[in-house]
Amino acid sequence: SQKIEQNSEALNIQEGKTATLTCNYTNYSPAYLQWYRQDPGRGPVFLLLIRENEKEKRKERLKVTFDTTLKQSLFHITASQPADSATYLCAIQPGRRALTFGSGTRLQVQP
Amino acid sequence: EAQVTQNPRYLITVTGKKLTVTCSQNMNHEYMSWYRQDPGLGLRQIYYSMNVEVTDKGDVPEGYKVSRKEKRNFPLILESPSPNQTSLYFCASSFYREHANEQFFGPGTRLTVL
Repeated sequence: SQKIEQNSEALNIQEGKTATLTCNYTNYSPAYLQWYRQDPGRGPVFLLLIRENEKEKRKERLKVTFDTTLKQSLFHITASQPADSATYLCAIQPGRRALTFGSGTRLQVQP
Repeated sequence: EAQVTQNPRYLITVTGKKLTVTCSQNMNHEYMSWYRQDPGLGLRQIYYSMNVEVTDKGDVPEGYKVSRKEKRNFPLILESPSPNQTSLYFCASSFYREHANEQFFGPGTRLTVL
């Protein structure tokens, strides 16, 4: 069956370090992959989109990689800050089908 | 201001009493969708629409209906709500070219069915 897996355990890191979150998928061939941030009780907010023919995408302190051979995307936040504490969701879209979300990984950045 | 609005934001109802949650966007987006979010299960798509009069089932459509008569509105209808539909609901919209672009989410509707 098709699955998107994100680490359900919270990731705790110290301020200033780089946070790395993982999104693995099986039985999909997504053309696009997106990352979102969600704060408690609020709707997700779009961060980055990466296409299957792009290996890496950057936006300010954020970096996303997309490895279609490993079926994995990595999401990095460099120089992390307590304000980066949130749940991060990956979402994939296989072709013209609907967008499907992973269950998210909670990041806690300690001051 | 570009936004997705949902109403009501909070609703407590009883089993079997029909309800509608409205969703409206002012960005002229083609694509709209409804999700429910439950602890440990993440966001699961209920229905989506790629344009007016075009709707399709997502992963968990049972017990829900939608309609897309106008581009800006995409109401979610629960004909006979049951307690297992207690959840946090999000509406989202985006442009749709060859793929779904950046999704804009509404603020959420917290529904409790007693």
